[in-house]
Amino acid sequence: KNQVEQSPQSLIILEGKNCTLQCNYTVSPFSNLRWYKQDTGRGPVSLTIMTFSENTKSNGRYTATLDADTKQSSLHITASQLSDSASYICVVSASRNYGGSQGNLIFGKGTKLSVKP
Amino acid sequence: DAGVIQSPRHEVTEMGQEVTLRCKPISGHNSLFWYRQTMMRGLELLIYFNNNVPIDDSGMPEDRFSAKMPNASFSTLKIQPSEPRDSAVYFCASSLVASYNEQFFGPGTRLTVL
Repeated sequence: KNQVEQSPQSLIILEGKNCTLQCNYTVSPFSNLRWYKQDTGRGPVSLTIMTFSENTKSNGRYTATLDADTKQSSLHITASQLSDSASYICVVSASRNYGGSQGNLIFGKGTKLSVKP
Repeated sequence: DAGVIQSPRHEVTEMGQEVTLRCKPISGHNSLFWYRQTMMRGLELLIYFNNNVPIDDSGMPEDRFSAKMPNASFSTLKIQPSEPRDSAVYFCASSLVASYNEQFFGPGTRLTVL
């Protein structure tokens, strides 16, 4: 069964500290993995998208890693800011891109991050 | 660009009533997605369209749900009749056709069915 598991479920850190969020998946065939940030009351916003051939991708203070062999991804946040408080959602696409199809997207339930002053 | 536009932002209705949610995708995008988000189940893909054609509606929970995309700039998600368990935030997203392309989400419609 295709699944995406995220950990921890929630996390509280102090402003300025680093943190790492985890995503484990059992999805086949794997096409790509995305990390989204969702602020409270807003829609998700894409942070990174990685295909199976990419093992790291950065977006400012956010760095995502992907190990396609172990089917694990992480999102590392450096020097956290209060504005990083949000839910972070890992999404795995289960299909190759053929005929323009978006394929089957499997969503994790997210990690809720709270950054305290 | 204004981004993906959804209306209404909030909807409160009584059980049994018809609910229509609206979405205007980003101009030029040819894929459109409808999602539902709840605390218990997280984000769930309901249906998506490529070039106005429904491609996969396997996520639509039951026949009470229907979605249309009459043209490239407008889509609706209808629930008839609505039930309390339909209460959720419904998101619309759009992208260019390709499985790896970024999806841009609207602000969502918070639906409460009493």
